[in-house]
Amino acid sequence: AQSVTQLGSHVSVSEGALVLLRCNYSSSVPPYLFWYVQYPNQGLQLLLKYTTGATLVKGINGFEAEFKKSETSFHLTKPSAHMSDAAEYFCAVSDPRGSTLGRLYFGRGTQLTVWP
Amino acid sequence: SAVISQKPSRDICQRGTSLTIQCQVDSQVTMMFWYRQQPGQSLTLIATANQGSEATYESGFVIDKFPISRPNLTFSTLTVSNMSPEDSSIYLCSVEDQAYTYGYTFGSGTRLTVV
Repeated sequence: AQSVTQLGSHVSVSEGALVLLRCNYSSSVPPYLFWYVQYPNQGLQLLLKYTTGATLVKGINGFEAEFKKSETSFHLTKPSAHMSDAAEYFCAVSDPRGSTLGRLYFGRGTQLTVWP
Repeated sequence: SAVISQKPSRDICQRGTSLTIQCQVDSQVTMMFWYRQQPGQSLTLIATANQGSEATYESGFVIDKFPISRPNLTFSTLTVSNMSPEDSSIYLCSVEDQAYTYGYTFGSGTRLTVV
């Protein structure tokens, strides 16, 4: 079974500060991992994903995440926050085995606030 | 990437009625997924819809309550039947985006309020 834990339902940072959003997962097999962002009254936009290969993945808008198998983590970071980064962020996992591929299991989300 | 048009974007409905949500994709996709996002909660998968076969429902979701149609490779509908206030949620469709391997694109969602 897949599950995702996002530590911290709310994170506040100052503009220009480091953004760190935490995600830990539980999976019976090496999963695929995703970060999505949801702006107010909009759908979800894919930030980045990890499937195989390099464990440090870079996404859009300057975000990156590192897959650490030993820690079962996939934390999202951005060196310098911008006001436009304020949104809800969701970590998700999927089981890459054929019949369940495509089913995403989401964390509860982290609301990021960026102060000027 | 794929472009998904989801309609309606929002609706306010009376309890006991039904609402059908449409999801149109600008490219052919094998699987479409329907999710529910309850207020202040994360997304939960309702069902997976493959063209030409019955939808597969997740635990806690049944066809009588959430019937799904998938008449072709670019379109699907989700109906929320006999609605109650507990059905007030955002409903989103999703597809695997051919633009990137194992990337899943979401529609903008339908914000449903049941009164």
